[in-house]
Amino acid sequence: EAEVAQSPRYKITEKSQAVAFWCDPISGHATLYWYRQILGQGPELLVQFQDESVVDDSQLPKDRFSAERLKGVDSTLKIQPAELGDSAMYLCASSLERYSPLHFGNGTRLTVT
Amino acid sequence: GENVEQHPSTLSVQEGDSAVIKCTYSDSASNYFPWYKQELGKGPQLIIDIRSNVGEKKDQRIAVTLNKTAKHFSLHITETQPEDSAVYFCAASGSGGSNYKLTFGKGTLLTVNP
Repeated sequence: EAEVAQSPRYKITEKSQAVAFWCDPISGHATLYWYRQILGQGPELLVQFQDESVVDDSQLPKDRFSAERLKGVDSTLKIQPAELGDSAMYLCASSLERYSPLHFGNGTRLTVT
Repeated sequence: GENVEQHPSTLSVQEGDSAVIKCTYSDSASNYFPWYKQELGKGPQLIIDIRSNVGEKKDQRIAVTLNKTAKHFSLHITETQPEDSAVYFCAASGSGGSNYKLTFGKGTLLTVNP
């Protein structure tokens, strides 16, 4: 079964440093999502792409977070500078189209020290 | 925006018993309600979903019911097995027009004791 690939699986960084996460969605999936999951809570949407266009980034802290999906396939989420409160699991998900079920990757666990 | 409440936060059952997890949502325009299972160190995995034009859906030992009037939906797992132990999340799609935004509950840690 096709999967959403994410890397790295784990990342430890010091506060004020820059960090980046990569996601490769299931082939052919037009919609891509980045979610943040704080320990003990449900995932919260950060940004949603339809092909290469952002359709929802209302919950993305734009002063430090950025996301891109230049060719409408893989995507990168960046944090600069990282803060202690950014420690969380960052999950990528994709769906065939906007109203299709979401398929999640296994996430990147970020620890900011 | 949409708000999803999920109960209980933890649930412990004996193998073979049934487990029920309940969720309520706030946006009456929500029309899609998936349930996800998340095992330790992994991403959430879709186990069943229901749309607002259906009141109940079943897939082997798992069933979901939806009450649109009361704005609540439930997950039922029968004949539980130790491998059902995980965190379960409900979610609801908000009325964000073309954005189709999923809002998740805070999760239920299900433990099935052998």
